[in-house]
Amino acid sequence: DGGITQSPKYLFRKEGQNVTLSCEQNLNHDAMYWYRQDPGQGLRLIYYSQIVNDFQKGDIAEGYSVSREKKESFPLTVTSAQKNPTAFYLCASSSTGKTIYFGEGSWLTVV
Amino acid sequence: GQSLEQPSEVTAVEGAIVQINCTYQTSGFYGLSWYQQHDGGAPTFLSYNALDGLEETGRFSSFLSRSDSYGYLLLQELQMKDSASYFCAVRDLRDSSYKLIFGSGTRLLVRP
Repeated sequence: DGGITQSPKYLFRKEGQNVTLSCEQNLNHDAMYWYRQDPGQGLRLIYYSQIVNDFQKGDIAEGYSVSREKKESFPLTVTSAQKNPTAFYLCASSSTGKTIYFGEGSWLTVV
Repeated sequence: GQSLEQPSEVTAVEGAIVQINCTYQTSGFYGLSWYQQHDGGAPTFLSYNALDGLEETGRFSSFLSRSDSYGYLLLQELQMKDSASYFCAVRDLRDSSYKLIFGSGTRLLVRP
């Protein structure tokens, strides 16, 4: 079935540690996105990519990094520079920008 | 910059009609989308308006007025399962990008 797969579903990070969230899509979509959602809050754009080997910062890119080496994949690294990374992370993709499709999300907790 | 404003919470009774408003400010505008998110889940697409007027999809309708930078989502015959958060979103066309910005969301509580 076509869709967006995020992994892991739950992740724990120690202080000073980098972690990478995986996002894979088989919808043949050009655009991919990463959003962060804090409890009871809206979605804030971290990074987005419209084509392979190109990506743009969103509103809260500091402390995060991404790569887009393949059309299907858009991994997000939460670096140690991100001081408050505990949140729900959502990956999404789109072919037109009109409608975006989300993965099931990844919960990241700092321990 | 871009910004979207929505009410933070709305409460309604099962079977009633509820309207969730969204006002936006963007440098360029392509269209207004609406998404539904249940607690702990991922947002799912509900509707999209590029032109002024009303779009109807079953019990849900969405309206857009580009001159007023305003839209709303109308939910009819409310059911308990409609209790969720609803987000409006706009695509910013300043640089022909697919950048999609979301509002802070409206939490809808449907009471029996």
